[in-house]
Amino acid sequence: DAGVIQSPRHEVTEMGQEVTLRCKPISGHDYLFWYRQTMMRGLELLIYFNNNVPIDDSGMPEDRFSAKMPNASFSTLKIQPSEPRDSAVYFCASSQFGSSGNTIYFGEGSWLTVV
Amino acid sequence: KQEVTQIPAALSVPEGENLVLNCSFTDSAIYNLQWFRQDPGKGLTSLLLIQSSQREQTSGRLNASLDKSSGRSTLYIAASQPGDSATYLCAVSTRSGNTGKLIFGQGTTLQVKP
Repeated sequence: DAGVIQSPRHEVTEMGQEVTLRCKPISGHDYLFWYRQTMMRGLELLIYFNNNVPIDDSGMPEDRFSAKMPNASFSTLKIQPSEPRDSAVYFCASSQFGSSGNTIYFGEGSWLTVV
Repeated sequence: KQEVTQIPAALSVPEGENLVLNCSFTDSAIYNLQWFRQDPGKGLTSLLLIQSSQREQTSGRLNASLDKSSGRSTLYIAASQPGDSATYLCAVSTRSGNTGKLIFGQGTTLQVKP
């Protein structure tokens, strides 16, 4: 498997524009996570899904953020409208319930800059 | 609210040294603790996972220990190499079965000089 695949890797957008980040989890994994990393706050969980269903979105900062998982192989994180303080690295990760050992796999991140 | 702290924030050592990275957490009711490595511009790679019932885990030159009662974990790196240079993060999980809902520390950035 190619691992967790995220796109775009880098995006620069203007304040007010809509941003859509995409993620393809590892095949067979039943959990999908969206994390955000900033210098000030470190890594924070935004939302996670189990079997395509959102389970906990308490980390989503505002209504401007939304996430969907229409099927087991695709998820999106959308920011509308974007603001400069949304600039961060957004990571998608996936894991498989119940398996032992190192079961969570991160993508390489989407580097977002809002100007 | 669970908080995870890592000390030091940065560390620079000469090649070959043994070193210890520290992680502390405020709530001992954890399900497991993981150590990750992050290279610049990259995602996180899981290094070691310690279940709450375990005391330590080993992988090659890495050894992670867990003292749940005192809220502490250490990552021991033996015979450090320049290739070990990276940021190391610890994270705790408070939910059984789901190892991905994690609370992270801020990380320790390690530089190993040749």
